[in-house]
Amino acid sequence: SQKIEQNSEALNIQEGKTATLTCNYTNYSPAYLQWYRQDPGRGPVFLLLIRENEKEKRKERLKVTFDTTLKQSLFHITASQPADSATYLCAPTGRGGYNKLIFGAGTRLAVHP
Amino acid sequence: GAVVSQHPSWVICKSGTSVKIECRSLDFQATTMFWYRQFPKQSLMLMATSNEGSKATYEQGVEKDKFLINHASLTLSTLTVTSAHPEDSSFYICSATGLAGGGDQETQYFGPGTRLLVL
Repeated sequence: SQKIEQNSEALNIQEGKTATLTCNYTNYSPAYLQWYRQDPGRGPVFLLLIRENEKEKRKERLKVTFDTTLKQSLFHITASQPADSATYLCAPTGRGGYNKLIFGAGTRLAVHP
Repeated sequence: GAVVSQHPSWVICKSGTSVKIECRSLDFQATTMFWYRQFPKQSLMLMATSNEGSKATYEQGVEKDKFLINHASLTLSTLTVTSAHPEDSSFYICSATGLAGGGDQETQYFGPGTRLLVL
């Protein structure tokens, strides 16, 4: 069955450093992959979408890579700020259907001043 | 753009009653809407997928007679938890896809969630 793995442990980093979060998937070949941010008690907020034919995508301080050979996506936040503290979810999405999202468990990021 | 609202934001009800949650796409037409449930410290679990005017597709293990979904228009979907019990207490979140604000059609835009507590 499809499986998505994200760092289960919380990631603690110092303000100003680059945070790198990992998403690994097995048993399927997603056409694209999305990253979301979720704050406690709130719905997820869309951050970036990267397609299988794209190696890298950037948006302001965010960068996502997608390696279909390794079946892995990396999510980077440069010059991190305490306001970046949240849980980050990855959702590799398969082909066809109604773009059903299956989420990883998420990685909790804490950026300390 | 791409705003999705949910109502109510929280609800407390007695065991055995039914609760209706509304999900609206405010500034775009949602071709597909999704309903998720999230328990504390866990990830979102997809419950069902619905398209306007057709029956919802439920995920394995989700009782369609207990969680009634109606997708009446391109901007509104409702989830009704029938005969709610304490184990149905959870955070329910909807999302919608469509051509919103020039973004990718595959992107799902999420509502703020509805917290349900069944006593």
